[in-house]
Amino acid sequence: DAGVTQSPTHLIKTRGQQVTLRCSPKSGHDTVSWYQQALGQGPQFIFQYYEEEERQRGNFPDRFSGHQFPNYSSELNVNALLLGDSALYLCASSFQDRDYGYTFGSGTRLTVV
Amino acid sequence: GESVGLHLPTLSVQEGDNSIINCAYSNSASDYFIWYKQESGKGPQFIIDIRSNMDKRQGQRVTVLLNKTVKHLSLQIAATQPGDSAVYFCAENVSGGSYIPTFGRGTSLIVHP
Repeated sequence: DAGVTQSPTHLIKTRGQQVTLRCSPKSGHDTVSWYQQALGQGPQFIFQYYEEEERQRGNFPDRFSGHQFPNYSSELNVNALLLGDSALYLCASSFQDRDYGYTFGSGTRLTVV
Repeated sequence: GESVGLHLPTLSVQEGDNSIINCAYSNSASDYFIWYKQESGKGPQFIIDIRSNMDKRQGQRVTVLLNKTVKHLSLQIAATQPGDSAVYFCAENVSGGSYIPTFGRGTSLIVHP
């Protein structure tokens, strides 16, 4: 049974560009949450999607947006990239918004140059 | 600022020793606490959790202690093995809403053979 899968695994972008990261939740899960993890820091919550809607949002600017598809997969979009957006972006999935079985993917390492 | 923090950023132990990783939290409303292990190149992995109506919980080689009076929790790993080398995060959550763990900065555990 595949867990949470994220793509791509690594990405290099230039300042000012836009990026799209993808996440497929674990089988049986319908809720996807995105986190940003800067080097040496803990993951910081960006937003959560359930039933194709953004349900919760952390303290991130509008440059960060997302989408959830009918098959529960999700995308994270970041516009007007800044050097400070360089980080590991993690996706976590769960069934509804419960804690049981909350599973993280291995992340996408984004480097902005 | 962050509501969850760790006392020691790095802990070095010898194989076979017992390890203790500490964590302080400041949100009095938090009633659910989780320890995650993050290995290099991977996302956080659930280790053990504890709810605020308990002060101790044991798993396989791991024990979590919760002291609500001083807002402190610890993770004890018995007979530490090289495979335990990783970054450990404590996270907190307030029950009743969506499960969105708030992470602290983490402690790097290095186990020497």
